[in-house]
Amino acid sequence: RKEVEQDPGPFNVPEGATVAFNCTYSNSASQSFFWYRQDCRKEPKLLMSVYSSGNEDGRFTAQLNRASQYISLLIRDSKLSDSATYLCVFSYNQGGKLIFGQGTELSVKP
Amino acid sequence: DTAVSQTPKYLVTQMGNDKSIKCEQNLGHDTMYWYKQDSKKFLKIMFSYNNKELIINETVPNRFSPKSPDKAHLNLHINSLELGDSAVYFCASSRRGPYNEQFFGPGTRLTVL
Repeated sequence: RKEVEQDPGPFNVPEGATVAFNCTYSNSASQSFFWYRQDCRKEPKLLMSVYSSGNEDGRFTAQLNRASQYISLLIRDSKLSDSATYLCVFSYNQGGKLIFGQGTELSVKP
Repeated sequence: DTAVSQTPKYLVTQMGNDKSIKCEQNLGHDTMYWYKQDSKKFLKIMFSYNNKELIINETVPNRFSPKSPDKAHLNLHINSLELGDSAVYFCASSRRGPYNEQFFGPGTRLTVL
């Protein structure tokens, strides 16, 4: 089983749609969880950390379910500028090593 | 005022050559990393240094040798380049610890012919 699994997509949605991504992880010792965003041919950038109680940042909501070992990202009112690849990332307490998922490609159309 | 910079941005070379990629960060971070992103877009960590000390060394061929002359720099030297080394190499830095955001450089696109 892969350490991190994401649906690679692509997800093609119209502007204004709500879209959700899930990501499962296999190592129950994982301690930190993140969503990173990567635009085409650019570097990854932190979108948001994922906290146990769930957290929201504007149109973005992240959830963590430790029992089922998955995290999710919900994007409301999609904008064209949300088009990117969303990377599910987690970390052990091991020198900051990040484990990246394959990424889910999102394309928001007018 | 670039936070994490890498040079060169593009590198095209022949098999068997030796090449280096340089990375510098001006964020005052203690920890720096090298990641490799292959054609299938998977990002995988290769090395991590904390204050010039190697702390993560994944299963990477010993043709790859990182060097950290000071905590603001982490260079990657690759000997005897192979076709399979073609990828995008990202440098990153963070404050120490697993909970801190990692800031990535723009990447170096290496093509081995």
